Amino acid sequence: DTAVSQTPKYLVTQMGNDKSIKCEQNLGHDTMYWYKQDSKKFLKIMFSYNNKELIINETVPNRFSPKSPDKAHLNLHINSLELGDSAVYFCASSQEVAGGQDTQYFGPGTRLTVL
Amino acid sequence: SQKIEQNSEALNIQEGKTATLTCNYTNYSPAYLQWYRQDPGRGPVFLLLIRENEKEKRKERLKVTFDTTLKQSLFHITASQPADSATYLCALPISGGYQKVTFGTGTKLQVIP
Repeated sequence: DTAVSQTPKYLVTQMGNDKSIKCEQNLGHDTMYWYKQDSKKFLKIMFSYNNKELIINETVPNRFSPKSPDKAHLNLHINSLELGDSAVYFCASSQEVAGGQDTQYFGPGTRLTVL
Repeated sequence: SQKIEQNSEALNIQEGKTATLTCNYTNYSPAYLQWYRQDPGRGPVFLLLIRENEKEKRKERLKVTFDTTLKQSLFHITASQPADSATYLCALPISGGYQKVTFGTGTKLQVIP
């Protein structure tokens, strides 16, 4: 049973297009995240939702819009794709514990290539 | 500003030796620190969490230390095996209204048979 799943695994598209990545977790966690991992392998947080509410919104272009229809799903929609958006996007989830968030569980990643 | 540093150079060691990876942080005092493993083409996988009041944590061949005075964590793999080859990331919570976990850049470990 996959704990955190993402679709698609690979996404190749032209500049200027709009695309979406979907994420689902079956762990019953309250918090979900989107991370971007660039070519230098640096993993940077983009957004976080807690019980469907946006709680972390890092400096990300407003072409990126997350949406959480329920606490088990967090989707990422990207408008007007640019070359610099090419990266691997990871979804993750965690459960809030006393003192902060607990272990993060990551999905397999979506490799986005913008041509 | 708050910063997390891991040795960005790859670490190559012989099979059977102990691998030691370093995570340094500056300008804050995290309540805990985590270590993750990432294999090529996959998402990071949690390995160990150590809290600020713990000096050391072990799990099978893994050992993590946390020195809040030096602001450093060491991650050890004893009796290393080629299957331990991966990138290892440390992660710390950074306060900012709502705690979030921020990852270091990772250190790539290569265990040579």
